[in-house]
Amino acid sequence: EVQLVESGGGLVQPGGSLRLSCAASGFTFSNYEMNWVRQAPGKGLEWVSYISGSGSTIYYADSVKGRFTISRDYAKNSLYLQMNSLRAEDTAVYYCAASTAVAGLFDYWGQGTLVTVSS
Amino acid sequence: DIQMTQSPSTLSASVGDRVTITCRASQSIGSWLAWYQQKPGKAPKLLIYKASTLESGVPSRFSGSGSGTEFTLTISSLQPDDFATYYCQQYNSYPYTFGQGTKLEIK
Repeated sequence: EVQLVESGGGLVQPGGSLRLSCAASGFTFSNYEMNWVRQAPGKGLEWVSYISGSGSTIYYADSVKGRFTISRDYAKNSLYLQMNSLRAEDTAVYYCAASTAVAGLFDYWGQGTLVTVSS
Repeated sequence: DIQMTQSPSTLSASVGDRVTITCRASQSIGSWLAWYQQKPGKAPKLLIYKASTLESGVPSRFSGSGSGTEFTLTISSLQPDDFATYYCQQYNSYPYTFGQGTKLEIK
């Protein structure tokens, strides 16, 4: 059974940093593309970042480019999102999502982790 | 970026009703469209991909159609478990974009 479990969320001040993790199990992690998708309170879904199975291709939404860094650790079957220079508008539930069929199709999701940026 | 526009934003319906949600893309995306269902406090769940292919385990009362820029999600006979928010999403090209969501409410 595919499982994605996020962690690392919390309260951080504007300008601060946070690192999110997503532990994957139940599938061959290196074979699949991974993403981060976020949802601000009461709002819709926003794709944040993508990393290919090999890690060689990475994309970011314009809203986070230059501030967030996606990475993956094959030994730990884990996905990460390093978030720097955080802003109030980054407040959201962050989901990791796997694309096991085709790039950009999110067929497995974690339960999400809440990031709150506030002073 | 490709903009995705859903209508309506809110839909009130009763158990047993047939409902349709529309999604429009700002440019052609072929059939690279997915539909997700989200319930409060939960992660989204993939329902349909490639515009009309039902994800495994999804009830057959859900169906999708369309191509190019116009797409629809239809629920043939609403069940109590179907009251949720639905999102369309294009995966034709990066950045992947979602519609703003359609909240399906009990009338």
